[in-house]
Amino acid sequence: DTGVSQDPRHKITKRGQNVTFRCDPISEHNRLYWYRQTLGQGPEFLTYFQNEAQLEKSRLLSDRFSAERPKGSFSTLEIQRTEQGDSAMYLCASSLGGDSQTFLAKNIQYFGAGTRLSVL
Amino acid sequence: KQEVTQIPAALSVPEGENLVLNCSFTDSAIYNLQWFRQDPGKGLTSLLLIQSSQREQTSGRLNASLDKSSGRSTLYIAASQPGDSATYLCAPGDTNAGKSTFGDGTTLTVKP
Repeated sequence: DTGVSQDPRHKITKRGQNVTFRCDPISEHNRLYWYRQTLGQGPEFLTYFQNEAQLEKSRLLSDRFSAERPKGSFSTLEIQRTEQGDSAMYLCASSLGGDSQTFLAKNIQYFGAGTRLSVL
Repeated sequence: KQEVTQIPAALSVPEGENLVLNCSFTDSAIYNLQWFRQDPGKGLTSLLLIQSSQREQTSGRLNASLDKSSGRSTLYIAASQPGDSATYLCAPGDTNAGKSTFGDGTTLTVKP
């Protein structure tokens, strides 16, 4: 399977615990995005990387959230001291982006199946 | 800040009908616009992407149009089938990062 993969698929944790999610993008994709989705709503942007650089963070991403993409390949999203309000589906997407509108720079986002977090 | 509205929120049609889903967005300075499908509890599947310079894209029974200046896009589904039942999400992408702002979707039910 050469799509975007996320691990784990489901995570149940107690309030106050730390959790870490992993995303493996499509191998040649230089851009990686994290989104959060709650029931009945569309995904909300959290942060994005171009290669290993984290270029933008949403105000939704509080100090308890941190994301890394150390070698420009896979990414991790860590939530410290989880709260019940963190319960959501965390979605990762990747794309091949560029600075000019070339054929390759279509920036089509491909999404993983998501990690569903439940904080008890 | 980009805001995306999708109307209707839910739609139920009999099998075989043609239908249109609507999407409006407030900031017309977009790089592209993607339509996605989401099945319950699953991730998102990209259906169509329209570049900002294009007016429409077609894939099989699906046709998406874009009117950037008025901030509108439509997704037309021809000859609907029960397998089309899902939530459809519209997502304009911004000009710098390509990150998407999503609407809350239209939940489509196609009855046999």
